[in-house]
Amino acid sequence: DAGITQSPRHKVTETGTPVTLRCHQTENHRYMYWYRQDPGHGLRLIHYSYGVKDTDKGEVSDGYSVSRSKTEDFLLTLESATSSQTSVYFCAIGDGQSNQPQHFGDGTRLSIL
Amino acid sequence: AQSVAQPEDQVNVAEGNPLTVKCTYSVSGNPYLFWYVQYPNRGLQFLLKYITGDNLVKGSYGFEAEFNKSQTSFHLKKPSALVSDSALYFCAVRDTNSGGSNYKLTFGKGTLLTVNP
Repeated sequence: DAGITQSPRHKVTETGTPVTLRCHQTENHRYMYWYRQDPGHGLRLIHYSYGVKDTDKGEVSDGYSVSRSKTEDFLLTLESATSSQTSVYFCAIGDGQSNQPQHFGDGTRLSIL
Repeated sequence: AQSVAQPEDQVNVAEGNPLTVKCTYSVSGNPYLFWYVQYPNRGLQFLLKYITGDNLVKGSYGFEAEFNKSQTSFHLKKPSALVSDSALYFCAVRDTNSGGSNYKLTFGKGTLLTVNP
């Protein structure tokens, strides 16, 4: 398996609280991605990064922010969590070659009450 | 814009029978196509890809997929299904004509495959 670690693996929190999810990679890949997985929607891209301090929005970025201060770490922050952000969040990495697959972490299950 | 459709939410097949999981795509240029499998409480695992060349590509665990440009399809197949193949399967596409430096993948909504003993 690709060296991708997501933390925490599970989290329960309350509406209105800030939440930060972490993705750590040991593959030295340039690209990192945050997705959310919801029934009936498959995987949807939230934000991605193409280098240190270089990030861009995906299709469902509202309510989320990201930061990448080091190649190996990509953080996803929910500034004020809402119940609609209850989901399973996946981090993925890629080497930037368009003909190569992305590789995924095992996910964070986030419940917002 | 690139898009992927997996027309079946669920596929049921008996162990030992052949299985097919369907995928169709839409791109403006040429497609790069990928299949992933997801087991419970795990991330997506890469199975196989089509980039160019032979329309029949082989991947992990005995799976293969057939690229059909005229039908814009990339169906996943296996000659003889195993109970352990039961999982959620995702098709994904990347448009070679999308430009930029993001190399984003667009995923289908997934197909739940159940193999009955």
